[in-house]
Amino acid sequence: GAVVSQHPSWVICKSGTSVKIECRSLDFQATTMFWYRQFPKQSLMLMATSNEGSKATYEQGVEKDKFLINHASLTLSTLTVTSAHPEDSSFYICSAGRDRGHEQYFGPGTRLTVT
Amino acid sequence: QQQVKQSPQSLIVQKGGIPIINCAYENTAFDYFPWYQQFPGKGPALLIAIRPDVSEKKEGRFTISFNKSAKQFSLHIMDSQPGDSATYFCAASINNNAGNMLTFGGGTRLMVKP
Repeated sequence: GAVVSQHPSWVICKSGTSVKIECRSLDFQATTMFWYRQFPKQSLMLMATSNEGSKATYEQGVEKDKFLINHASLTLSTLTVTSAHPEDSSFYICSAGRDRGHEQYFGPGTRLTVT
Repeated sequence: QQQVKQSPQSLIVQKGGIPIINCAYENTAFDYFPWYQQFPGKGPALLIAIRPDVSEKKEGRFTISFNKSAKQFSLHIMDSQPGDSATYFCAASINNNAGNMLTFGGGTRLMVKP
């Protein structure tokens, strides 16, 4: 149990376009979803936390107008990278928590390359 | 600022050896300490976790040792295998109104030589 999926697993887009990444909890209802960014050989950096039906809470330094997060249901959260630039190229990983418990279940990640 | 410091950055052991990865934290409000294993191109997977009222927890070949007074915790991998070669992250969690947020250590790249 506690499976989280992400789609797509990788995406290549041109500079200036927008890209949407989906994160789904497949077998449980996620009260909270988290979005992380990971550069090569580095740790995970939390970008934002979202609770179903409410606005996401962004970490300091993360542009909320560039990284749009929608948590429309208890099983789906989306991250949209708007007007992407090459510096946005990274590995984006979501995680989901349930019942306000400590455990976070991570998705497989999405590799974004902006050309 | 909430920080979790992890060492070493990289580690090479022979098969059967016992790699030890250490983490230290500052915020005494942390109340949950998980370890994650990540393979290249994959998301992290939870290995084992401990709460501060316990000094040691063992699950299979993985053991967490926790020293509350020193604000340190470590991961030991018994009888390490080449398949254990991965990056390991410690983390610490604190509950707030937005949920249980994880703060990650910098990661340790482990290589187990056959």
